[in-house]
Amino acid sequence: DAGVTQSPTHLIKTRGQHVTLRCSPISGHKSVSWYQQVLGQGPQFIFQYYEKEERGRGNFPDRFSARQFPNYSSELNVNALLLGDSALYLCASSPDGEETQYFGPGTRLLVL
Amino acid sequence: QKEVEQNSGPLSVPEGAIASLNCTYSDRVSQSFFWYRQYSGKSPELIMSIYSNGDKEDGRFTAQLNKASQYVSLLIRDSQPSDSATYLCAVAGNTPLVFGKGTRLSVIA
Repeated sequence: DAGVTQSPTHLIKTRGQHVTLRCSPISGHKSVSWYQQVLGQGPQFIFQYYEKEERGRGNFPDRFSARQFPNYSSELNVNALLLGDSALYLCASSPDGEETQYFGPGTRLLVL
Repeated sequence: QKEVEQNSGPLSVPEGAIASLNCTYSDRVSQSFFWYRQYSGKSPELIMSIYSNGDKEDGRFTAQLNKASQYVSLLIRDSQPSDSATYLCAVAGNTPLVFGKGTRLSVIA
């Protein structure tokens, strides 16, 4: 079975631009979560979606938004990019009723 | 603010030795505990989950949980150079996962 997929794998943007990251969960998983991981730190929770509804939001500014589609894929949007948004963005999916998160390969974002 | 604490390392062990990785957490209502392995430049990979006090073994890996002490550990027996990576402890309990900063393990051949 295919794991969590993410696109693109790498991205370079300039300050002030907008970015959209995409994620497809493991087949059968309805829950998708987004995390930000900066160098030397553990992943930090951004959003969780289940059945297209937001189930949780981490301590991130309103420049960050997300949505989940009927096929359970998800997008993370970041507006007005800052240098500090440079990080590895991870998407994870979970089976129903479980807290175990299975991570995709991530999107590495560099903001110049 | 829920916190998960790990020694950042690096922890260096010789090939064939036992590596012991430790983690403490602040939120007493936490119910689920996970260890992930992350190779440099890659995403976290689930190694083990543990939910009850005591030990849980899977191959060369043993997770240990002590909820009274709010302590989770991971033992890696017969450590191999391929085990060299950052090990992330993660905790959940009616909330999404909270991760520690990770412990960098180096297995010396």
